[in-house]
Amino acid sequence: NAGVTQTPKFRVLKTGQSMTLLCAQDMNHEYMYWYRQDPGMGLRLIHYSVGEGTTAKGEVPDGYNVSRLKKQNFLLGLESAAPSQTSVYFCASQPLAGTSTDTQYFGPGTRLTVL
Amino acid sequence: DAKTTQPNSMESNEEEPVHLPCNHSTISGTDYIHWYRQLPSQGPEYVIHGLTSNVNNRMASLAIAEDRKSSTLILHRATLRDAAVYYCILSRNYGGSQGNLIFGKGTKLSVKP
Repeated sequence: NAGVTQTPKFRVLKTGQSMTLLCAQDMNHEYMYWYRQDPGMGLRLIHYSVGEGTTAKGEVPDGYNVSRLKKQNFLLGLESAAPSQTSVYFCASQPLAGTSTDTQYFGPGTRLTVL
Repeated sequence: DAKTTQPNSMESNEEEPVHLPCNHSTISGTDYIHWYRQLPSQGPEYVIHGLTSNVNNRMASLAIAEDRKSSTLILHRATLRDAAVYYCILSRNYGGSQGNLIFGKGTKLSVKP
């Protein structure tokens, strides 16, 4: 049981380049989330998904797109990277929100630098 | 959204108990109190959660005030591995909601040998 995995672990982009971050979970969880964490700050929600084929915006969605074509995968895309998107990106999954156990399981993070 | 207030940092000695406080004076009746921690260069990990009663698990204990406006995470014997940022988070138990966690800056716990 690998839990939540993220690919890649590190990436350096130039301004204007595009890339996709992959999150995979093998726990059959319904909900998945993408957060970003800037230095010295807590995590902020970018986008989330409540099930296969669905996505929704979080607190800071601008400049990002997401897709959830398969239940186990949640992709985060940057179409035209900007230096302001330099951050550490965390993916998380959750069995089902709205229950008494809203425990989220986090991946190890992707450290992205945009020059 | 209901907010939480935590000290920016705390220090502890190894093998001593640690009490990490959290104030949440605007908590509503359906808000669960969750604690997560984030070890250096890792993603957050779940520690414990509760609604009204005190809770214990293998990692920690959670003491919730009777009026629920504050709570305390208790690490019974701190180890060097417990050095991390600890987040106190309120989540809402709405059926079918997004269920996301709202992170503040947390408390950075340092453990001295």
